[in-house]
Amino acid sequence: EPEVTQTPSHQVTQMGQEVILRCVPISNHLYFYWYRQILGQKVEFLVSFYNNEISEKSEIFDDQFSVERPDGSNFTLKIRSTKLEDSAMYFCASRVAGANTGELFFGEGSRLTVL
Amino acid sequence: LAKTTQPISMDSYEGQEVNITCSHNNIATNDYITWYQQFPSQGPRFIIQGYKTKVTNEVASLFIPADRKSSTLSLPRVSLSDTAVYYCLVGPSRGAGNMLTFGGGTRLMVKP
Repeated sequence: EPEVTQTPSHQVTQMGQEVILRCVPISNHLYFYWYRQILGQKVEFLVSFYNNEISEKSEIFDDQFSVERPDGSNFTLKIRSTKLEDSAMYFCASRVAGANTGELFFGEGSRLTVL
Repeated sequence: LAKTTQPISMDSYEGQEVNITCSHNNIATNDYITWYQQFPSQGPRFIIQGYKTKVTNEVASLFIPADRKSSTLSLPRVSLSDTAVYYCLVGPSRGAGNMLTFGGGTRLMVKP
């Protein structure tokens, strides 16, 4: 069964450092998402991406965040200058085309720890 | 955005049927209702999706009344491995923007 893969599974970084989290969505999917989940809290929407551009972003997704699809397979989330409060699980998700389906396929997540 | 309201937690016993209800009073005409399951330290996993009436698959049923202002996820004969957080989502919202927002979820604890 096709799956969304994320790397790294865990990253530890110092405050102020840049981090890039990588995702390989399912190959025929056209919509891509990043979510984050702080320990013990709910899953929070960060950004959605379609047709090589951001289609929606939340208030969390400020100027320190950016997303990119540098080639035909990878979808990356960059955090420019990490803060302690960026420590969380970051989930990538993708789905097929079609405006009315909520079936997202999630990766296993990347745990980011900012010290 | 259609906001969802679910019970924070529920307890059940193995072998029982569990029904989790979600309220979404301002659901839009084009919105679907989707339920996800999440285990600790894992990504959410799609369970079921519906638009109206009843949908059933191999793991659950979804009941949606005519006004679509609520929905009920039904898990038949739960086991210990069904202990998880269950999220109800409504959308995608804003057309092609496709924002899908998770609410607080319902933490289901299945006891032996």
